[in-house]
Amino acid sequence: EVQLVESGGGLVQPGGSLRLSCAASGFTFSSYWIHWVRQAPGKGLVWVSRINSDGSGTSYADSVKGRFTISRDNAKNTLYLQMNSLRAEDTAVYYCTRGDWHFDYWGQGTLVTVSS
Amino acid sequence: QSALTQPASVSGSPGQSITISCTGTSSDVGSYNLVSWYQQHPGKAPKLMIYEGSKRPSGVSNRFSGSKSGNTASLTISGLQAEDEADYYCCSYAGNNTWVFGGGTKLTVL
Repeated sequence: EVQLVESGGGLVQPGGSLRLSCAASGFTFSSYWIHWVRQAPGKGLVWVSRINSDGSGTSYADSVKGRFTISRDNAKNTLYLQMNSLRAEDTAVYYCTRGDWHFDYWGQGTLVTVSS
Repeated sequence: QSALTQPASVSGSPGQSITISCTGTSSDVGSYNLVSWYQQHPGKAPKLMIYEGSKRPSGVSNRFSGSKSGNTASLTISGLQAEDEADYYCCSYAGNNTWVFGGGTKLTVL
């Protein structure tokens, strides 16, 4: 069974940093692109970032470019999102999701709250 | 990276059909056959319902269908059931390894 389990969310002050993790199981992790998608409370889905299967290619939404870094450790079947210079508008549930051009499996999400 | 445009809400009675539109631009929806649709129930993770415009993943009911014309994609749900009540999101590849979602549509089954 394909599983994606996010962790690392929590309360952080504006300007602070947080690292999210996404542990994958049930499939060959190193063969798939993985994305981060976020959802602010009561709002819609927003694509955040993507990493290709071997980690050599990354891309970001303009709203997080230069502040967030996506990475992966294929030996540990784990995806990461390093979030720096956090802002109130980054408050959201962050989902990791598998897929190339569409997203076929999703984790349950981890809540990040940016507030003083 | 502007969000795709979806109606905020649609409704229908059990057994009826509804269609949700998703309007983008010639840089995203209009340029690629890579529109996908997601269903999200409250407090749950999204679920893939349609990919590459009109393809259904294994296990998704054939009551769900997708299409595209120009810069607008559409999701049609036929034979509405109470369990279809949820939020629906479209998503399109937007070039340069970026993706864009629609704002979401709340479906109410009357």
